[in-house]
Parts: sequence; C-alpha cells; structure tokens
Amino acid sequence: GAVVSQHPSRVICKSGTSVKIECRSLDFQATTMFWYRQFPKQSLMLMATSNEGSKATYEQGVEKDKFLINHASLTLSTLTVTSAHPEDSSFYICSANPGGRNTEQYFGPGTRLTVT
Amino acid sequence: AQTVTQSQPEMSVQEAETVTLSCTYDTSESNYYLFWYKQPPSRQMILVIRQEAYKQQNATENRFSVNFQKAAKSFSLKISDSQLGDTAMYFCACRGNKIIFGKGTRLHILP
Repeated sequence: GAVVSQHPSRVICKSGTSVKIECRSLDFQATTMFWYRQFPKQSLMLMATSNEGSKATYEQGVEKDKFLINHASLTLSTLTVTSAHPEDSSFYICSANPGGRNTEQYFGPGTRLTVT
Repeated sequence: AQTVTQSQPEMSVQEAETVTLSCTYDTSESNYYLFWYKQPPSRQMILVIRQEAYKQQNATENRFSVNFQKAAKSFSLKISDSQLGDTAMYFCACRGNKIIFGKGTRLHILP
C-alpha cells in the first residue's frame, strides 16, 4: 500500500522559534496533500489543503502567516509553524492521495509538537 | 458545508460480541465518499472501510460492514466478532471536495 512519512515524529521548540514539519509520499505522487491538527482526545481538524505548484487553501480560522505550507514537489509538502507559542502544541497529521476525488487518502504517522 | 456527527463518545463491548457505531452526515455535494477510520494508541490513521455514495450496496470488509442509508444520511459501522485489537478511536468521515471527520467514538473491547 501507499506510504506517507512525516518528519520529525516529535519536536520540542522554544516559544518564538519556527519549526518545519515534512510530509512525504514515498511511493506515489500526490498533487494534493492535507494538513490536520489533532488535540488530545479530539478529532482531526483540517487546517489546509496543499496543492503542488500553487498556494495552499486554508480553512477558516487558520492563520496562513503562522502556518506556512509549501508543496514544492509531487512528493513533498512542508508545514512551518512560525513564531511558535505554547498553544500551538498539538499533534499534526498530513495525508495525501494519489489523485482524483475517489481515491483513498493515506495518512502520515503524525508529528507531536511541544512548544515550551 | 459538510458536517459529520458521531453521537457515541465511548462504547465498551465484550470480546467476540458485535458492536455498531453510529454516524450521520450532511453534505451539499452530490458526489461524495464515506469512510470509517481507526486510530489506535499509536495515532496512525487506518482506513477500515469506504463507501461510495452512488453505490447502493453496503460495503463489507471481513468483520467490518456498514449500513448506508443515503436518504437518512446515516452511515453506521458494524464490527462482528470483535477482537481486543479492535480497541481504538473510530472516526467517521465524509469526503466531498475535502474530508471532514466526526468527533470520534472510543471503542473498548473487553476480554
């Protein structure tokens, strides 16, 4: 089956710094990737849709200047949390699909971000 | 707008029993897909079963089956012969132009 990786799996950073999370589709090309945020014991909240070669589409209430998304190639999307604050601490998950609306999304294993 | 509602925050059943998880949804899209995902303690999202909305036949994957009632916008998951490894968080999801998840049902399979 298709595999999506995320790096790092865990990261701790200090308030005010920026941190980058990578999402890679290992054995397929993905024109679209999705970024989610999950708080403890809660559901996945869609943050943005990452489109290869174009700007990301952000969900309402998500600050585009704080959560920078770059989809530079068909196998890599990055999420950069800029000027991180403790309230940005969360579990971030990406997903990707090989193409078309009717195909399964494959999820990465997630990244736990802790801002101190 | 799309919404997905799971009305059972938590459920417990004995091993080998059958359990049904409820899900209702709302979407304005005519072409959409429904999913059940499992999230074990590792937090890796695992696809359990999918249903194309245009198909009337209920999807089945081994011990997992769905009851898809399109008019009622209901999409329940039935787990037969439940196993300890089924213990996890289960999310119902609806995908139109984007995928929206319900709040989840925490399922405990008791030995």
